[in-house]
Amino acid sequence: GENVEQHPSTLSVQEGDSAVIKCTYSDSASNYFPWYKQELGKGPQLIIDIRSNVGEKKDQRIAVTLNKTAKHFSLHITETQPEDSAVYFCAASSPANFGNEKLTFGTGTRLTIIP
Amino acid sequence: DTEVTQTPKHLVMGMTNKKSLKCEQHMGHRAMYWYKQKAKKPPELMFVYSYEKLSINESVPSRFSPECPNSSLLNLHLHALQPEDSALYLCASSQDLRGSQPQHFGDGTRLSIL
Repeated sequence: GENVEQHPSTLSVQEGDSAVIKCTYSDSASNYFPWYKQELGKGPQLIIDIRSNVGEKKDQRIAVTLNKTAKHFSLHITETQPEDSAVYFCAASSPANFGNEKLTFGTGTRLTIIP
Repeated sequence: DTEVTQTPKHLVMGMTNKKSLKCEQHMGHRAMYWYKQKAKKPPELMFVYSYEKLSINESVPSRFSPECPNSSLLNLHLHALQPEDSALYLCASSQDLRGSQPQHFGDGTRLSIL
């Protein structure tokens, strides 16, 4: 099955600086890669996603890049703000047998923005 | 505000109790999911429903019993739970089961087993 590794597990960044979180996946058939932000006491919130036919996607201060050859994808947050502090999860979806498609999550990164 | 609503937000129950968790979405999604999340861990898939039929059961113990009464509702019936079942239970939905469909999560029910 799919295996997703995520680094770093914790990340502290000065407010205004950039943050980068990296994930690698094992199944070359995986074709969809969402990123979730989870704040304390809340469920995971989808913040950006990318499909395998695209190399980069940007939404305001958030961007995701995908390298299919190396099987890794990254989340980039620029001009960080205190409200960016949360746990971030990457995930990968493999198009296995219909009915068995599911997300495999990374282990999470706790991002702390230092004011 | 999340578009997937879960009730109750918190639940404390004894090991002999029977209770149910509820999840509702009105986005017209036809796939719904139950996940379990322990502290400082990623969500773990438990069940997947597609068009109101159980599609995936990730070898979950029978003390957890899912039910999908209609396309908007998903229940998780709990009976004779163990202390290790204490966790955050998350519901999610997606358009359908195609792998590239975003899953949208509710805020979960925090369950404590005494």
